[in-house]
Amino acid sequence: DAKTTQPTSMDCAEGRAANLPCNHSTISGNEYVYWYRQIHSQGPQYIIHGLKNNETNEMASLIITEDRKSSTLILPHATLRDTAVYYCIPTPSYSGAGSYQLTFGKGTKLSVIP
Amino acid sequence: KAGVTQTPRYLIKTRGQQVTLSCSPISGHRSVSWYQQTPGQGLQFLFEYFSETQRNKGNFPGRFSGRQFSNSRSEMNVSTLELGDSALYLCASNSGTLDYSPLHFGNGTRLTVT
Repeated sequence: DAKTTQPTSMDCAEGRAANLPCNHSTISGNEYVYWYRQIHSQGPQYIIHGLKNNETNEMASLIITEDRKSSTLILPHATLRDTAVYYCIPTPSYSGAGSYQLTFGKGTKLSVIP
Repeated sequence: KAGVTQTPRYLIKTRGQQVTLSCSPISGHRSVSWYQQTPGQGLQFLFEYFSETQRNKGNFPGRFSGRQFSNSRSEMNVSTLELGDSALYLCASNSGTLDYSPLHFGNGTRLTVT
């Protein structure tokens, strides 16, 4: 499995964009990049995932570099409720099997400041 | 749709006892995974069940076991509890048949072993 490097912590002003980087230089060709977050006292919450193209959904945008060695999660207008630990997780595809496990690192603790 | 439900929310047990935790997946989801979260080790994969069969297993001792019922509900059991088993136990579900189907986590059962 690919190893990831994320900043231990980041601050973001409320209403501003939060850009969370992740380095996954050893990612293999069939590994997707998943992002989850965990708000205090809750279970992890899925945010977004992608393979090589940039992705956007109602929660966030995911920018993956062309060489796939790094990615950035963008929360366009951070709110206090976005304060959480954010995990970047490369995940292999077991094509057709539907079974995989998430290997969580330490993540980035994002603090949104009023 | 109702989310993943885990019961009980909190549990206190004594060393040497055994414990059973319960998880009800999102309706229609056939795969249930279990994770352990501790301050020292972070989030670690325990096992995954699909159609009442264990399909994937993490690196935990045999004291940790699970099962899945025909309605996809799952239980995990820890026998001969040790102090180090104190943790947040998280259950997650997904379809289990589609690649990259995101995991949906419950809010966990917090187990304290004294």
